[in-house]
Amino acid sequence: EPEVTQTPSHQVTQMGQEVILRCVPISNHLYFYWYRQILGQKVEFLVSFYNNEISEKSEIFDDQFSVERPDGSNFTLKIRSTKLEDSAMYFCASKGSYNSPLHFGNGTRLTVT
Amino acid sequence: AQTVTQSQPEMSVQEAETVTLSCTYDTSESDYYLFWYKQPPSRQMILVIRQEAYKQQNATENRFSVNFQKAAKSFSLKISDSQLGDAAMYFCALDTDKLIFGTGTRLQVFP
Repeated sequence: EPEVTQTPSHQVTQMGQEVILRCVPISNHLYFYWYRQILGQKVEFLVSFYNNEISEKSEIFDDQFSVERPDGSNFTLKIRSTKLEDSAMYFCASKGSYNSPLHFGNGTRLTVT
Repeated sequence: AQTVTQSQPEMSVQEAETVTLSCTYDTSESDYYLFWYKQPPSRQMILVIRQEAYKQQNATENRFSVNFQKAAKSFSLKISDSQLGDAAMYFCALDTDKLIFGTGTRLQVFP
């Protein structure tokens, strides 16, 4: 069964550094998402992406965050200058149509020191 | 605004017994979807079951079933014949144009 792939599984970075989290959605999917889960808390929506542009973003998704789909297969989340509070599990998800369920990747655990 | 509420932070059940996890939600949309996701210690998000709001019939997937009460905006998950492998965090989620999650219920299964 096709799946959403995220790399790396764990990223450690120093405060102030830039990080890029990578995702390969399921190949025929059209809707892409990033979610964040701080340890012990609920899963929070960050951003949705459709037709090569952001369709919606949350308050969390400020100017430090950006997303890109550079080559038609990868879907990346960049954090320009990481803060301690960015430490979390970041999930990429995709779906094939508006009314189909989201498929999640296994997540990238980001640790900011 | 869309909200999802899970009022049970923790639940426990004995192996082979049945447990019900509660979820209520709020939305002004008439067309939406509801989900239960399971998150084991590995922190993967695994889809358990899905319900379309326009369907009156409750969804069922093997040992997992839901009680969907649209008027009450309630969407509970019933796990029958509980197994040790069912132990995990369970998140209820509402999908209008994006998925909104509840705070989760940690399910423990005792032998």
